[in-house]
Amino acid sequence: DAGVTQSPTHLIKTRGQQVTLRCSPKSGHDTVSWYQQALGQGPQFIFQYYEEEERQRGNFPDRFSGHQFPNYSSELNVNALLLGDSALYLCASGGAGQGLSGANVLTFGAGSRLTVL
Amino acid sequence: AQSVTQLDSHVSVSEGTPVLLRCNYSSSYSPSLFWYVQHPNKGLQLLLKYTSAATLVKGINGFEAEFKKSETSFHLTKPSAHMSDAAEYFCVVTYYSSASKIIFGSGTRLSIRP
Repeated sequence: DAGVTQSPTHLIKTRGQQVTLRCSPKSGHDTVSWYQQALGQGPQFIFQYYEEEERQRGNFPDRFSGHQFPNYSSELNVNALLLGDSALYLCASGGAGQGLSGANVLTFGAGSRLTVL
Repeated sequence: AQSVTQLDSHVSVSEGTPVLLRCNYSSSYSPSLFWYVQHPNKGLQLLLKYTSAATLVKGINGFEAEFKKSETSFHLTKPSAHMSDAAEYFCVVTYYSSASKIIFGSGTRLSIRP
């Protein structure tokens, strides 16, 4: 049973560019959330998707947007990249019918490491 | 405001000695608490979780944690450290509310001395 898969694993962009990161949730999971982990810090919650809608959002600007598809996979888009957007972006899935419960156990992917030059 | 604090950014122990990683949380609602481990270039892996059942929670790889409501703590322990335990550990809190945002601590890096 495949866990959470993310692509690409590494990428390099320049300031002002746009990036799209992709995530396939664990089989049977229906919620996807995204996190930004800067070097030496804990992950910070960006947003969570359930039933193809953004349900929760952390303190991130509108440059960060996302999408969830009918097959529960998700994309994270970041526009107008800044140097400070360099980080490991983690996707996590959960739910399997539990929806947005705080007791969801999340399954994390290995992340996409974004470097902005 | 909801928050979680990991009291040590780095802990170093000798192999075979006990491990203690400390975590305190702010309590507005009934929390769910988790410990995750992150090895280099790997995803976060769940060690254990507390969701209002038994206050002493046993996890994988010999780790356990005790929920102490009076102290708002959820410290992670292991009786005997192994070299493979060297990693970054995150305490995580979520709340049963409409805003079930998930809050990570800043992490504790565990080093194991031979």
